[in-house]
Amino acid sequence: QVQLVQSGAEVKKPGASVKVSCKASGYTFTGYYMNWVRQAPGQGIEWMGRIHPNSGGTNYAQKFQGRVTMTRDTSVSTAYMEMSRLTSDDTAVYYCAREGYSSSAGRGFDSWGQGTLVTVSS
Amino acid sequence: DIVMTQTPLSSPVTLGQPASISCRSSQSLVHSDGNTYLSWLQQRPGQPPRLLIYKISNRFSGVPDRFSGSGAGTDFTLKISRVEAEDVGVYYCTQATQFPWTFGQGTKVEIK
Repeated sequence: QVQLVQSGAEVKKPGASVKVSCKASGYTFTGYYMNWVRQAPGQGIEWMGRIHPNSGGTNYAQKFQGRVTMTRDTSVSTAYMEMSRLTSDDTAVYYCAREGYSSSAGRGFDSWGQGTLVTVSS
Repeated sequence: DIVMTQTPLSSPVTLGQPASISCRSSQSLVHSDGNTYLSWLQQRPGQPPRLLIYKISNRFSGVPDRFSGSGAGTDFTLKISRVEAEDVGVYYCTQATQFPWTFGQGTKVEIK
C-alpha cells in the first residue's frame, strides 16, 4: 500500500533553515507529483508547492518563492522540502501529499505523510 | 489566487441526521481540459487530511457512500446523508485547477 513517512519534529531558532524529508513506498515514486502543505496550530491548510520526482520540475506558491526549495532523491524514493530564514510564523505541521492522477483521483491529494511539526522559537 | 469560501464554518449535527457544507470559488474551476478539479478532504482530530471526493462528485477509494459531492463552476456542496460519530472533524474543499492550489477555511463537523 502507498505510504509516505516523514522525518521527525524539529525545533529551530529564528533565521535558521529546516529540511523535512518524505519517504515514499508502495508505488512508483517517479510517477506522481509530490506536494507540500502546511498547517499552523489550529489553522487551515496552506499549499506551498510541488515537485515532479521524475524531472525535478517544481511549482511554488509565490509566497514561498525564494525561501523554499523542493528536491528529491529517486534512489531512495524520498522528497525533501527545505525552508530558510525561519520566523515564528513558520511554526506549523508540514505535510507531504501525493497528487493523484487526473483519471483516478482528479489531482486530489490521495496519500498523506503523518506530518512533521516544525517549531520556530528563540 | 482563487479564493475558496466555505459555509458554515461550524456544523453541529445530531447523529443519524444529514449535514451539508457549501464551498464557493472566486473563479470558475473548469480547467481548459474540461475537468473541474475540486476535491473534498476530511481531517479527523490529530490526523492528516484524507481525500474523500475528487472532481466534484467522485468518491475516492474506500469512502462510504453516505458522502456525496455536487456542484459546478463556482458552487459546490459536500453532503453527508447520515452523520456517524467517526465523521467528526474538519472538512476542506480544495482546488487544483489553477496555481496556486488553494483550500477553503475548513468546516468543523461536531455532534450535538
